[in-house]
Amino acid sequence: GAVVSQHPSRVICKSGTSVKIECRSLDFQATTMFWYRQFPKQSLMLMATSNEGSKATYEQGVEKDKFLINHASLTLSTLTVTSAHPEDSSFYICSAREGQVNQPQHFGDGTRLSIL
Amino acid sequence: AQKITQTQPGMFVQEKEAVTLDCTYDTSDQSYGLFWYKQPSSGEMIFLIYQGSYDEQNATEGRYSLNFQKARKSANLVISASQLGDSAMYFCAMRGRGAQKLVFGQGTRLTINP
Repeated sequence: GAVVSQHPSRVICKSGTSVKIECRSLDFQATTMFWYRQFPKQSLMLMATSNEGSKATYEQGVEKDKFLINHASLTLSTLTVTSAHPEDSSFYICSAREGQVNQPQHFGDGTRLSIL
Repeated sequence: AQKITQTQPGMFVQEKEAVTLDCTYDTSDQSYGLFWYKQPSSGEMIFLIYQGSYDEQNATEGRYSLNFQKARKSANLVISASQLGDSAMYFCAMRGRGAQKLVFGQGTRLTINP
């Protein structure tokens, strides 16, 4: 089945650091990937839709300059949390869909980001 | 706009019993897809089952089945013969026609007791 790899799985860093999270589709091409944020005991909140070769589409209330998304190839999208602060601490998870609209999104294993 | 509602924040079930997780949805689209995902405590999202709005039969995948009642706009997940490993958060989600993104419900935390 389709596999999505997300790296790193956990990051602990100081306030002010920029953190890059990678999301790769390992055995399929994904023109579109999605980035979610999840707070403890809550549902997934879509942050942005990452489109290969073009600008990401951000959801309302998500700061574009804070959460930089790059989708440079059909198998890789990156999320960079710039100048991270403690309030950015969260679980970030990416997904990608293989093929047609009735296909499920396949998720990476997520990244737990902790900003000290 | 699309909306998913899961009204059960938590459920406790004895091992080997069947369990039904509720999901209702709201959409003006005629064509849409419904999905269920499982999220264990480790965090990954595991795809369980899919139901298309035009599918006449309820979807089944092993111990998972989807009780799709289109007129009621409900898509309940049924897990038969529950196992301890079924303990997790379960999310119902939908995607409308032509839409890229999934809309998720609030989730239900299922606990299977031995």
